[in-house]
Amino acid sequence: GAVVSQHPSWVICKSGTSVKIECRSLDFQATTMFWYRQFPKQSLMLMATSNEGSKATYEQGVEKDKFLINHASLTLSTLTVTSAHPEDSSFYICSASLSGVYNEQFFGPGTRLTVL
Amino acid sequence: QQQVKQSPQSLIVQKGGISIINCAYENTAFDYFPWYQQFPGKGPALLIAIRPDVSEKKEGRFTISFNKSAKQFSLHIMDSQPGDSATYFCAASTTGSARQLTFGSGTQLTVLP
Repeated sequence: GAVVSQHPSWVICKSGTSVKIECRSLDFQATTMFWYRQFPKQSLMLMATSNEGSKATYEQGVEKDKFLINHASLTLSTLTVTSAHPEDSSFYICSASLSGVYNEQFFGPGTRLTVL
Repeated sequence: QQQVKQSPQSLIVQKGGISIINCAYENTAFDYFPWYQQFPGKGPALLIAIRPDVSEKKEGRFTISFNKSAKQFSLHIMDSQPGDSATYFCAASTTGSARQLTFGSGTQLTVLP
């Protein structure tokens, strides 16, 4: 149980284009989903927290107009990287929170984005 | 105050040995301390977690020791195996609807055969 999927697993795009990454909780309803980015050999950096039906809350320094997050249902959240640039190349990971007293987070397998 | 400090950055252990990774925190409001295991190119996977009302939790070869007064917690991997070679992250969060995790910097563990 508590499986989270991401699609695509990897994507290569040209500079200036937009890329959408999907995050799905497969066997549970996630009231909260999180988006992280991770650079090589570094820790996870929280980008934003999204609740179903609400606007995402972005961390300081994360451009909300560049990283568009939509959490349309209890099982799906999407991250769109708009006008991607080479510096946006990274490993993007989502997680979904299982409702409960301690709200454990379960992570997706990640999406490797390479912007040429 | 939100930081979680993790050490060591890298660790090399012989097969069958004990791997120990330490974390320290400042925010006394943290009340949930999970450990995650991450293989290259994969997302983190929840390994084991502890709450501050207990001092130790064991699941198979993995044990978390928690010292509330020192604001420290550690992961012990007994009988380490080459398959345990991965990056390990400690994390902490507070009770609340957001439940945002604050991650440590990670420890790259290599278990030699």
